[in-house]
Amino acid sequence: DAKTTQPNSMESNEEEPVHLPCNHSTISGTDYIHWYRQLPSQGPEYVIHGLTSNVNNRMASLAIAEDRKSSTLILHRATLRDAAVYYCILTPRKNRDDKIIFGKGTRLHILP
Amino acid sequence: DAGVIQSPRHEVTEMGQEVTLRCKPISGHNSLFWYRQTMMRGLELLIYFNNNVPIDDSGMPEDRFSAKMPNASFSTLKIQPSEPRDSAVYFCASSLILSHRGGTDTQYFGPGTRLTVL
Repeated sequence: DAKTTQPNSMESNEEEPVHLPCNHSTISGTDYIHWYRQLPSQGPEYVIHGLTSNVNNRMASLAIAEDRKSSTLILHRATLRDAAVYYCILTPRKNRDDKIIFGKGTRLHILP
Repeated sequence: DAGVIQSPRHEVTEMGQEVTLRCKPISGHNSLFWYRQTMMRGLELLIYFNNNVPIDDSGMPEDRFSAKMPNASFSTLKIQPSEPRDSAVYFCASSLILSHRGGTDTQYFGPGTRLTVL
């Protein structure tokens, strides 16, 4: 079973910010939080990752709760090209035996 | 860098035939992952190699599936004999795990092979 919980789908209007939530209440202190997205007919692509502090890159921002039991991926200004399935996963930093599980992700629909 | 390369991109075969999927990871990466994606089950990890050695193959469905990594630049996933329920998109991903620093294990995925078994 996935170690993260995400809504099945979300909708947003073009050019508006999007906040994609993820719950990971069983996160261990050494797990990284990774976000990937999968555009139609493509393989998943890396979006952003973090450990404890909020992170920003050219694609998105990642806000991590203080207790690390949840996180939010923020797309500051959604475009039609951001329509995809977004996966939040935990990646073990130390224990390589922990399996990386993608789950079903959140399907993001962008309305023009 | 060309990214992760997979071949073929599409494969249509008949039940009972052998199928071989190929993957070339990103140069310098030391870990390779094979995934299967279906509508019903989503993205499933099949097997994971580190430094060409299989580390976790618990996701391999059954003995009909086998994977090899003879060197750092090539891996194969073989299905023999194939069955209609094996129809799926198969992804290969590679990663650089820096064990001495913990590593963030960001994975880079290939474009996938769409397998149809009739």
